[in-house]
Amino acid sequence: DTGVSQNPRHKITKRGQNVTFRCDPISEHNRLYWYRQTLGQGPEFLTYFQNEAQLEKSRLLSDRFSAERPKGSFSTLEIQRTEQGDSAMYLCASSSDASGNTIYFGEGSWLTVV
Amino acid sequence: GQNIDQPTEMTATEGAIVQINCTYQTSGFNGLFWYQQHAGEAPTFLSYNVLDGLEEKGRFSSFLSRSKGYSYLLLKELQMKDSASYLCAVRSFDTGFQKLVFGTGTRLLVSP
Repeated sequence: DTGVSQNPRHKITKRGQNVTFRCDPISEHNRLYWYRQTLGQGPEFLTYFQNEAQLEKSRLLSDRFSAERPKGSFSTLEIQRTEQGDSAMYLCASSSDASGNTIYFGEGSWLTVV
Repeated sequence: GQNIDQPTEMTATEGAIVQINCTYQTSGFNGLFWYQQHAGEAPTFLSYNVLDGLEEKGRFSSFLSRSKGYSYLLLKELQMKDSASYLCAVRSFDTGFQKLVFGTGTRLLVSP
């Protein structure tokens, strides 16, 4: 069990560019979540996958955001035409029926849009 | 929607006991979680309560009262490394069964 892995850990990009983050959940975890966190705030839910199906999306996830989990294992979160307000830490988490009620977070991907 | 309230900041002394409160409003309650988050790091799971009462795990304990919409996290024998943010999160049928909704977190500063 290597934990939830995210990369890149840090990304600085110019406004208007596209960025993509990758998340590798704990192996055999069928549930995967994306959250966004800004300084001084708690994580805000973005989207949730069960296996490859995206079952829930927050209203925070505008048309510029898209997430995929093509084979029910790793997931990607893409942000198109980035804006300065997108600067945040993007957290991935995973869980499974076997993990009971525990949701495990990755170390996050920091995005700075300049 | 959900409303989760916790104090913004608390201070305590090494070796002391501190209680961090969390109140919530939701329907279809299905569990309350506490996470610890050090600056710049990911949240790490501390505790889970779904029934009323106290859950003890080493130096950390968590209490839940569903009728009052209230929980607390109790930290005993505080250590300097306990300086971190403590996040209260609620899961409910209201907002989607699987996801957690977090409070803004309580920043705890432990001094010598």
